Amino acid sequence: EVQLVESGGGLVQPGRSLRLSCAASGFTFDDYAMHWVRQAPGKGLEWVSGISWNSGSTGYADSVKGRFTISRDNAKNSLYLQMNSLRAEDTALYYCAKDQTYNWNPPEGFDIWGQGTMVTVSS
Amino acid sequence: SYELTQPPSVSVSPGQTARITCSADALPKQYAYWYQQKPGQAPVLVIYKDSERPSGIPERFSGSSSGTTVTLTISGVQAEDEADYYCQSADSSGTYAVFGGGTKLTVL
Repeated sequence: EVQLVESGGGLVQPGRSLRLSCAASGFTFDDYAMHWVRQAPGKGLEWVSGISWNSGSTGYADSVKGRFTISRDNAKNSLYLQMNSLRAEDTALYYCAKDQTYNWNPPEGFDIWGQGTMVTVSS
Repeated sequence: SYELTQPPSVSVSPGQTARITCSADALPKQYAYWYQQKPGQAPVLVIYKDSERPSGIPERFSGSSSGTTVTLTISGVQAEDEADYYCQSADSSGTYAVFGGGTKLTVL
């Protein structure tokens, strides 16, 4: 079964850090680019970051650039998002999503999504 | 920043045709993608590369493109199609991905 399972979310104070993980199974992970997409409570989808199949290229939304770092470990079929200097506006459900191609830019459609992990930034 | 513009809501009766539009300057240069999201669920890709339908998506879902506007069409709408729909594309240089604000489809 093709599956993405996120973990690592939780309640964190403003200014602190958190690392999200996404475990992939059921497909050849290192053939595809991967992305993080978030959704604030009651709001729409927001692309956060993307990474190419071999980690050679990464990209970030302006809202997280310089604070978040995307990475992957193909040997472990895992995707990560290191989030530093967290702000209240980063509160959201964070989804891991698989691209249909090997490069993230431009993305060619997110055909597999996880169920998300909730991040709440509050004092 | 680059934006995709969608209507906030669309309402149709069962069996009718729903059309949801998405507009942006770079759409003639970049493909568009459409996602369906039901409450409490992750999004599902229903159209890719403007008009292609993934396997498992019903034939009543179709996509088209004309200039700076792309359209998701749902023919013969069913009650189960009630959901939020998001378009997604990239800026003209493909530097980043962007989602539209979403359209709530209500089946009357």
